[in-house]
Amino acid sequence: VQLVESGGVLVQPGGSLRLSCAASGFNFATSWMNWVRQAPGKGLEWVAMLNQDGTLKFYVGSMRGRFTISRDNAKNSLYLQMNALTVEDTALYFCAGDRGVSWGQGTLVTVAS
Amino acid sequence: DVVMTQSPLSLSVTLGQPASISCRSSQSLVSSDGNTYLSWFQQRPGQSPRRLICKVSYRDSGVPDRFSGSGSGTDFTLKISRVEAEDVGVYYCLQDTHWPWTFGQGTKVEIK
Repeated sequence: VQLVESGGVLVQPGGSLRLSCAASGFNFATSWMNWVRQAPGKGLEWVAMLNQDGTLKFYVGSMRGRFTISRDNAKNSLYLQMNALTVEDTALYFCAGDRGVSWGQGTLVTVAS
Repeated sequence: DVVMTQSPLSLSVTLGQPASISCRSSQSLVSSDGNTYLSWFQQRPGQSPRRLICKVSYRDSGVPDRFSGSGSGTDFTLKISRVEAEDVGVYYCLQDTHWPWTFGQGTKVEIK
């Protein structure tokens, strides 16, 4: 199983960013997928969850309306579109498998002016 | 949201000795399907989290049998029977019964 995130960069407050996660080594199309984040030196926070065909999406309250989770099963890829970013969104963003069974190495998003 | 409270937040253990981490939830984690979705994760320094245990007591593939999970309802425990040097890191409990899923604050385990 391999999950490889990309797309994390330095962005200004109010900006937008799209994270990607390339999955391999398991049946991606039959798996719920997730994004989890970790602010520098802090604990873990579940961000969003998506079902197998992308029709059921769940978000943590503070991110609902700003973040959009999506997937492309043909490309074995998971995405997180992040809008209206604030400094509080600065974190390492992990792509994770069903109920956290597997994790990527994370991609760092820094929101600062 | 369900609040997960871990204790202690820091643990210093002698090599070969046991360690125990408690995790309590603000409401029952018994799901409507009858399962209790409480997981434990290990995060070694500089690494991504790794799931050790799911559904209270089921060890994930490749997890040494010195790790065990127990508990029910709102009270759960992760035990390491004999701590090894590679067990240093932060341990988190996660409730994945009620959305939004929530983690405990983390317990830092170090070698004495």
